[in-house]
Amino acid sequence: QVQLVESGGGVVQPGGSLRLSCEASGFTFTTYGMHWVRQAPGKGLEWVAFIRYDGSNKYYADSVKGRFTISRDNSKNTLYLQMNSLTAEDTAVYYCAKDPGYYGSGSYWRDYWGQGTLVTVSS
Amino acid sequence: QSALTQPASVSGSPGQSITISCTGSSSDVGGYNYVSWYQQHPGKAPKLMIYDVSNRPSGVSNRFSGSKSGNTASLTISGLQAEDEADYYCSSYTRRNTLGVFGTGTKVTVL
Repeated sequence: QVQLVESGGGVVQPGGSLRLSCEASGFTFTTYGMHWVRQAPGKGLEWVAFIRYDGSNKYYADSVKGRFTISRDNSKNTLYLQMNSLTAEDTAVYYCAKDPGYYGSGSYWRDYWGQGTLVTVSS
Repeated sequence: QSALTQPASVSGSPGQSITISCTGSSSDVGGYNYVSWYQQHPGKAPKLMIYDVSNRPSGVSNRFSGSKSGNTASLTISGLQAEDEADYYCSSYTRRNTLGVFGTGTKVTVL
């Protein structure tokens, strides 16, 4: 069965950096794009970033563009999110999610989600 | 990017049917048959319930159904059960962002 396990969350000061990881199993990681989606405490879902199956294209929400970098290591079945210049508005649970498109360019929906990792930006 | 509009809360008694709306515009919900729905229990990850307006993934109960009319999509839960109490989010393809936009979320309460 598909499993997505995020890690790397924690407390970081404003202006700091953090790198999240998402280890995937139960499907052929190298053939699917992957997303990061976040949810601020008590708030709704917000799409953050997407990377194609081979890492050739990356897309970002305007709110994180220039500060966050999505990447993947297909040899390790692992997705990453490098977050720099963090602000309080970045405080959220960050979910990695699988795109349903086989060798696709990115879809508006996600078929599997991880349990999330909490990032708290606070001094 | 504006979120799609959902009612903050919907409630119903066990066995009843409820409908959650998701209102957008001709640039998203109304323009394409690309709407999905997610269920999220407190502290848990979202779970896909519906995609492409009305398609159910394998394993999702047929008590959940999706539809669309104009700029509004709907999720109907029939035969409401206690386990259906959760937050529900819609998502749609949008001309401005092909990777989609989420709705504001609806809390479903089973009375």
